This record gives sequence, structure tokens and C-alpha cells, in this order.
Amino acid sequence: DAGITQSPRHKVTETGTPVTLRCHQTENHRYMYWYRQDPGHGLRLIHYSYGVKDTDKGEVSDGYSVSRSKTEDFLLTLESATSSQTSVYFCAISDRGGPEETQYFGPGTRLLVL
Amino acid sequence: AQSVAQPEDQVNVAEGNPLTVKCTYSVSGNPYLFWYVQYPNRGLQFLLKYITGDNLVKGSYGFEAEFNKSQTSFHLKKPSALVSDSALYFCAVRENNAGNMLTFGGGTRLMVKP
Repeated sequence: DAGITQSPRHKVTETGTPVTLRCHQTENHRYMYWYRQDPGHGLRLIHYSYGVKDTDKGEVSDGYSVSRSKTEDFLLTLESATSSQTSVYFCAISDRGGPEETQYFGPGTRLLVL
Repeated sequence: AQSVAQPEDQVNVAEGNPLTVKCTYSVSGNPYLFWYVQYPNRGLQFLLKYITGDNLVKGSYGFEAEFNKSQTSFHLKKPSALVSDSALYFCAVRENNAGNMLTFGGGTRLMVKP
């Protein structure tokens, strides 16, 4: 999985609690992404980062925030988890931007919000 | 806006037979097309991409894909399927002015039976 780890790999939480997912890379890539995977929807982009402290919103950013204080770490926070945020979350990285770039994915975090 | 469709939720094929997983796309400019594979409880693995040039793109594990501009398609193919090819396959597209936004199809489950 391309030098990418995600933690935790599985989490069960309750509605209304904050949750933080971590993505860590050892590739020194500039770009990092958070996606969620839901049946029938493929993967949808939540937020992405194009450098330390530089982030932007994706297609489904409502209810999520991100932070990147170091090149290797990209954190995804659910401020107050809801059942609709039950999903599998994937982090991806790439070394350059532009339309030709290939993104490489981590192993995923399975989140269940009760 | 860019979009991609995978018209088949599942494709069944016998081992040794050729396989095709279909993908069609919609973009306003030139498309950049990708195929990924996901094995159970794993992240997405990059298979191949089309940027420009030859319409037949060869990728990992014996897979290839054919870009057809007139039909706006990018079907994934393999001459002889293996049981180990059974997995979930995702097509993705990015258009030239989309920045880093990669749009995924809903996925196609490939089942190869002995």
C-alpha cells in the first residue's frame, strides 16, 4: 500500500462524538487526499492537501475538517459524528499535481457510527 | 462537470475466458482515465492509466484498456481471466481543468469462476 498507513483501521463510535482519523506516509509526497467509499458511489473526495497547512474542500466536505502540520501526516476530523458518516475512509497520496498524476491509496479505516 | 459510469454492478466470467469491464465517461475537455482494483479489505491498487497517445494501454497483472474517444469509453480487458482476478474494479476520470479532482465510478465486481 505504497508506504501509507491509516489509523485506526476500525472504529466504532457514538453519534455526536468527535472522531479523528490519521493518515501517515513515508513517501514524502506533497499531495494527500481523504476519500470515503460507500456502496454504489465509488469513492468521493472529502478534502485534500497540496502542502503543509494547505488544504481544500472536495465533493463531500460538510461535517469534516482536516489538518496537515507535517508533510507525512494528514488528519481527518469528524467534529460530531453522525450515522450518515458510517463509511470506509481511504487516504491517498501523490507526488505532483496535474491531470496526469496517479494517486496511491492506503488500506482504509472502517468507521461505524451508532 | 466530469463524470464516469460503470454500467455493470457485477461481471461473471469463467477462468480462462476473456473478460471486459466497461467504463464510459463524460468530460468537457481531454480525459485522463484510470483503472484501479480493490481486493477484499484492502485499499485501491493502481492498474493503468490513459494520458495521451496509443489508444491501447497496458497495465499490471496482464490487464489492458482501450480508449475510444468517439464512444467515450475506456473498457478494461484481459485475454484470459484468473480466479485471483476476482475483485472490485473502479474506473476514474479527470479532465484537464479539474485540478486534482478525480471522479470515480461506482465500481464493478468481477467474479471469475473455476
